[in-house]
Amino acid sequence: EQQVQQSPASLVLQEAENAELQCSFSIFTNQVQWFYQRPGGRLVSLLYNPSGTKQSGRLTSTTVIKERRSSLHISSSQITDSGTYLCAMLSNYNVLYFGSGTKLTVEP
Amino acid sequence: AQTIHQWPVAEIKAVGSPLSLGCTIKGKSSPNLYWYWQATGGTLQQLFYSITVGQVESVVQLNLSASRPKDDQFILSTEKLLLSHSGFYLCAWRPTAYEQYFGPGTRLTVL
Repeated sequence: EQQVQQSPASLVLQEAENAELQCSFSIFTNQVQWFYQRPGGRLVSLLYNPSGTKQSGRLTSTTVIKERRSSLHISSSQITDSGTYLCAMLSNYNVLYFGSGTKLTVEP
Repeated sequence: AQTIHQWPVAEIKAVGSPLSLGCTIKGKSSPNLYWYWQATGGTLQQLFYSITVGQVESVVQLNLSASRPKDDQFILSTEKLLLSHSGFYLCAWRPTAYEQYFGPGTRLTVL
């Protein structure tokens, strides 16, 4: 069973547009994280958001535990934002489950 | 500052051959270390984790094994590679439940 579902699978934006990425979970969790995977594969932590709204620069995440979902909003997208965005949840057994990702392409 | 190194950067290996991938972290004692794998176009999966020397917990069975021979070293290995082992392997350090630091990864191609 896929523990973490992400949508959309891919997204193409024009520079300066905003993006909304969605993540849903098979269980109730307050251990939600968002990551960015560079085109070469390197993974970078973006945000940890157990509940409510968290912001980091142009990134805003909203997690609603009772609805088992989290979202990531990217404002004023830039070409360098292109890559794959992954959400993940940490289980009680010290296992981090990832979604399949949203591939973002920002065009000039 | 802590740094995570992985070796090799990339490998091309034949089916049935052995494999050893390494991960080391500098600047941190007794780190919690993790191995992840991502098939090309696939979802990142946690394979193993280790919180101390000599102790490794398996999460996903992929005919791989892991060992923690030293405090700062985590090794992923198999005696016989399968085509399905191809992909991208990431090592990570997790200081807290909400922090993750990943190594640069090893890209493995099995032919």
